[in-house]
Amino acid sequence: GAGVSQSPSNKVTEKGKDVELRCDPISGHTALYWYRQSLGQGLEFLIYFQGNSAPDKSGLPSDRFSAERTGGSVSTLTIQRTQQEDSAVYLCASSQHRGDNQPQHFGDGTRLSIL
Amino acid sequence: GQQVMQIPQYQHVQEGEDFTTYCNSSTTLSNIQWYKQRPGGHPVFLIQLVKSGEVKKQKRLTFQFGEAKKNSSLHITATQTTDVGTYFCAGNQGGSEKLVFGKGTKLTVNP
Repeated sequence: GAGVSQSPSNKVTEKGKDVELRCDPISGHTALYWYRQSLGQGLEFLIYFQGNSAPDKSGLPSDRFSAERTGGSVSTLTIQRTQQEDSAVYLCASSQHRGDNQPQHFGDGTRLSIL
Repeated sequence: GQQVMQIPQYQHVQEGEDFTTYCNSSTTLSNIQWYKQRPGGHPVFLIQLVKSGEVKKQKRLTFQFGEAKKNSSLHITATQTTDVGTYFCAGNQGGSEKLVFGKGTKLTVNP
């Protein structure tokens, strides 16, 4: 596709369940970011992948959050034992080549609701 | 930690008034990018500034990058209801590859 694709677009689950969110970046983009955005708030950085380098996980809020990027393309963000405060929109963005000086292209996000 | 400060957090204007949002970093930025997020949408890239003192214009929008490359501003002249949304600045600090976002300025325009 032409843009960053995220799935599912919406996810409603019960507290305590695990969820997996998927991001398919623009083809050829080596940098991939995950952000979390609560209602009316700014972008909270979660994790950053750049090529084959070790990911920057400094934004992950707890050890219940993990992410991987297989083959340098598709990425999955996993939240284990979900809690109500995990409810938010999870945005993925990718950029071309190096992260420096390259604009980020965002997906439409996954709206996660924890009951 | 790495931070890019953005003010104000909220701005309410009457249609036709001007609007400015400011972005500040404690360290030198290699570049500054600006994004707009419409209500219910995702951030969309507007522009990038790289050079010290650079000024760029897009119709009613004027973007500036400070001489020291530590601050930037976005100015909208004669706001319209279509300008509603949250404006984010983002920059690479100290040559880092990671783009750091400000918390955004939410603009509402009363018709």
